[in-house]
Amino acid sequence: KNEVEQSPQNLTAQEGEFITINCSYSVGISALHWLQQHPGGGIVSLFMLSSGKKKHGRLIATINIQEKHSSLHITASHPRDSAVYICAVVDGGSQGNLIFGKGTKLSVKP
Amino acid sequence: DVKVTQSSRYLVKRTGEKVFLECVQDMDHENMFWYRQDPGLGLRLIYFSYDVKMKEKGDIPEGYSVSREKKERFSLILESASTNQTSMYLCASSLWKSYGYTFGSGTRLTVV
Repeated sequence: KNEVEQSPQNLTAQEGEFITINCSYSVGISALHWLQQHPGGGIVSLFMLSSGKKKHGRLIATINIQEKHSSLHITASHPRDSAVYICAVVDGGSQGNLIFGKGTKLSVKP
Repeated sequence: DVKVTQSSRYLVKRTGEKVFLECVQDMDHENMFWYRQDPGLGLRLIYFSYDVKMKEKGDIPEGYSVSREKKERFSLILESASTNQTSMYLCASSLWKSYGYTFGSGTRLTVV
C-alpha cells in the first residue's frame, strides 16, 4: 500500500469549474507539500502546510492532521491550470525526506 | 531569485556511456536530493546528501553514484548507462531541519 494516496488520478474539467484534489497519507508527518508540474516542465512548490489552511490566488490548500488528509482546491479553473499536481509529505520519522503521491493529472478545457 | 539549476534539460546518451548529471543551488542549502520520475511510479529517491562529501542511498540507488565535493553542487553519475535508466531526473535542495524544498527544472535523459 502506498504511504501517500492521491485521488483522482486523472481529472478533466471545464473552464470555470471548482476543482478538488485529495491526498491521504498513512505516516506521521512534519509537513505536507502540494507541487505543480506542467507538461515537460520542472516542479514548482505551491504550498507547504503543517496545519490549517493556506490560500494563494485561486488556490487553496487545507490539511487535517488528525484525519491524515489534505485537499487542494482550485477556484474558477483555467486551461493554464492544466498540469500534474503532486502531494508530498515530509516523513516525521526519517531525516525529513519527502514521500510522494503519484500525482493527479488535471486537464481544464476551454 | 533563489534556484536550483540542472545543467541539461534534455540529454541523449548511448548504452554503456558514463553520464554526469549536474545540479547547482545558490541558497546555501545543506540538503540535496536526486529523484527520478517515471510514469505510473511517481518520484523516487535515488540518493541524498546532508553535507559536503556525505551521501546516503535512497530507495533506488542501484546503477547510480553521487558526488558532493562542494556544498552548492550535487552530481549524479550513471557509471554505465542502460536503457532502463531512461527517465526524468529531478534535483532538489532544502535547509537542514527545514521542510521547504526547492526543485530544479529536471533533466530528461534518454539512453539509446
